[in-house]
Amino acid sequence: AQKITQTQPGMFVQEKEAVTLDCTYDTSDPSYGLFWYKQPSSGEMIFLIYQGSYDQQNATEGRYSLNFQKARKSANLVISASQLGDSAMYFCAMRESYTGTASKLTFGTGTRLQVTL
Amino acid sequence: KAGVTQTPRYLIKTRGQQVTLSCSPISGHRSVSWYQQTPGQGLQFLFEYFSETQRNKGNFPGRFSGRQFSNSRSEMNVSTLELGDSALYLCASKEGSGQNEQFFGPGTRLTVL
Repeated sequence: AQKITQTQPGMFVQEKEAVTLDCTYDTSDPSYGLFWYKQPSSGEMIFLIYQGSYDQQNATEGRYSLNFQKARKSANLVISASQLGDSAMYFCAMRESYTGTASKLTFGTGTRLQVTL
Repeated sequence: KAGVTQTPRYLIKTRGQQVTLSCSPISGHRSVSWYQQTPGQGLQFLFEYFSETQRNKGNFPGRFSGRQFSNSRSEMNVSTLELGDSALYLCASKEGSGQNEQFFGPGTRLTVL
């Protein structure tokens, strides 16, 4: 069963506007981590932001923030003041702790964001 | 600190050959994971090594193998290459146990002809 769902295959946003990329997840593990990565056309996966399941505050990293709603099992990425360089594929991923201390990430199918002038 | 490095960046092989990919994690990171990315299957977990031991393995055939050295550098080997093995292979490093950030390298793009 798919554990990470990204329902937006593609999104457009105007430069300087904010955009929200959706991510829902499914797990029965009480301890898990949620990640967002950016993948430009070059292929490299760039770490953006991390949220632990026990973190009380929503994570923020510069222009990126994670809107974590635990009861709804959602972890949406908010990019403020979009820039042309934000155009890329964005992946939501989850790491569950039931596998012990292992580091397996389960990825969603991604959202392609296009920033326009 | 230097990031995760992967070599080579691009590789072209023919069916039946074997290939070895290399990953050097961020200094101090002991966990290295490998992922395969294809347009059809997306990002799929291959395996993870921690302190030279395979700690977790994805659902891939035995043709895919890996190892980790004492300096945490890791290699991934694919034997008897098939056309479907054409993919971007990404490795990620993490400091250790527990929930914390995981950083990826630039990937190796493998093309099998």
